[in-house]
Amino acid sequence: GAVVSQHPSRVICKSGTSVKIECRSLDFQATTMFWYRQFPKQSLMLMATSNEGSKATYEQGVEKDKFLINHASLTLSTLTVTSAHPEDSSFYICSARDLDRALGYTFGSGTRLTVV
Amino acid sequence: AQSVSQHNHHVILSEAASLELGCNYSYGGTVNLFWYVQYPGQHLQLLLKYFSGDPLVKGIKGFEAEFIKSKFSFNLRKPSVQWSDTAEYFCAVLNTDKLIFGTGTRLQVFP
Repeated sequence: GAVVSQHPSRVICKSGTSVKIECRSLDFQATTMFWYRQFPKQSLMLMATSNEGSKATYEQGVEKDKFLINHASLTLSTLTVTSAHPEDSSFYICSARDLDRALGYTFGSGTRLTVV
Repeated sequence: AQSVSQHNHHVILSEAASLELGCNYSYGGTVNLFWYVQYPGQHLQLLLKYFSGDPLVKGIKGFEAEFIKSKFSFNLRKPSVQWSDTAEYFCAVLNTDKLIFGTGTRLQVFP
């Protein structure tokens, strides 16, 4: 079945630094990927839609300059948290849509970001 | 835009008990609904989905959900839960091409 690999699974960084999270579709091409943020004991909040070869579409309230998304190829999207602060600590999850599987969405295993 | 709400935030059951988790979507028309499960430390997995047709949808691991248009509901059911069903359950609706999730229900099953 469709597999989405997300890396790293855990990262700890210092305040003010930037962190890059990668999301790869391993056995299918994904023109569209999605980035979610999940707070403890809460739901997944959609942050942005990543479109291959074009700018990402951000949801209301998400700072595009803080959460940089790049989707340079059909199998890779990256989320960079710039100038991270402790309030950015969260669980980030990516998802990709496999068009060969009708309305099939596959999720990565998530990245636990801790900013100290 | 479509949204979903889940009313049960935390459910505790004993093994072999029956399960029903509520999910309501916001408005009518064509709707695509999903139930996902997130086991501790694992990624989201699709349990079942509804696009059209038979309103009673069978999923994996013995789960099923019923789409009731008149009630704007898509409740998840399982006749007899197991300890291994302990997880977080999310209802989701498709809004154009984006999945929008409910707040989730944490299910704990005790032996």
